[in-house]
Amino acid sequence: EIVLTQSPGTLSLSPGERATLSCRASQIVSSSYLAWYQQNPGQAPRLLIYGASSRATGIPDRFSGSGSGTDFTLTISRLEPEDFAVYYCQQYGSSPPWTFGQGTKVEIK
Amino acid sequence: EVQLVESGGGLIQPGGSLRLSCAASGFIVSSSYMTWARQAPGKGLEWVSVIYSAGTPYYADSVMGRFTISRDNSKNTLYLQMNSLRVEDTAVYYCARASWLGNGFDIWGQGTMVTVSS
Repeated sequence: EIVLTQSPGTLSLSPGERATLSCRASQIVSSSYLAWYQQNPGQAPRLLIYGASSRATGIPDRFSGSGSGTDFTLTISRLEPEDFAVYYCQQYGSSPPWTFGQGTKVEIK
Repeated sequence: EVQLVESGGGLIQPGGSLRLSCAASGFIVSSSYMTWARQAPGKGLEWVSVIYSAGTPYYADSVMGRFTISRDNSKNTLYLQMNSLRVEDTAVYYCARASWLGNGFDIWGQGTMVTVSS
């Protein structure tokens, strides 16, 4: 099973600042099957990024994804108030089991 | 409108069984990759199971042999049959779909709560 480790656990930033979230895999992950989700309290996850770097429909361009192999990054260029949430990476390659990272909480400083 | 609506959650004793349903509208379940994920109270997301468009199921080790994923094409509905439930299965269960794996899981249901307790 591929273990995804996200860092940091919590990121304390102010609106307008840049957020950089990391997701490191225990084995090589196909970039085609690495996604990022945003989750607000009491709500279902929302797909932000798929294929490591492609934005999902309706996702603002301040969200960007990058990386390959075992290291992936989600960047939020300028934080808006609605961006303070928990973010998860997920690998869903051709051979389950699939896994999620443990999450990074982006909170208002 | 493309959406998923889960149902079937509730309070169940350890060792009991429950079947969750995920009704789809706006797309065809049998043409999609359909997955279940769960989230224990205050915890992160955990992948549970997937059924490929071809019908092949896969499971997390934690539920293998106890949970069964299936779909009813005539009802356009996904199911998760959960047997031998344990306290640690307590969570909100979400269903989600990917039109194909390369696109990620873009549609999620609102979730249904399963509480396993005596």
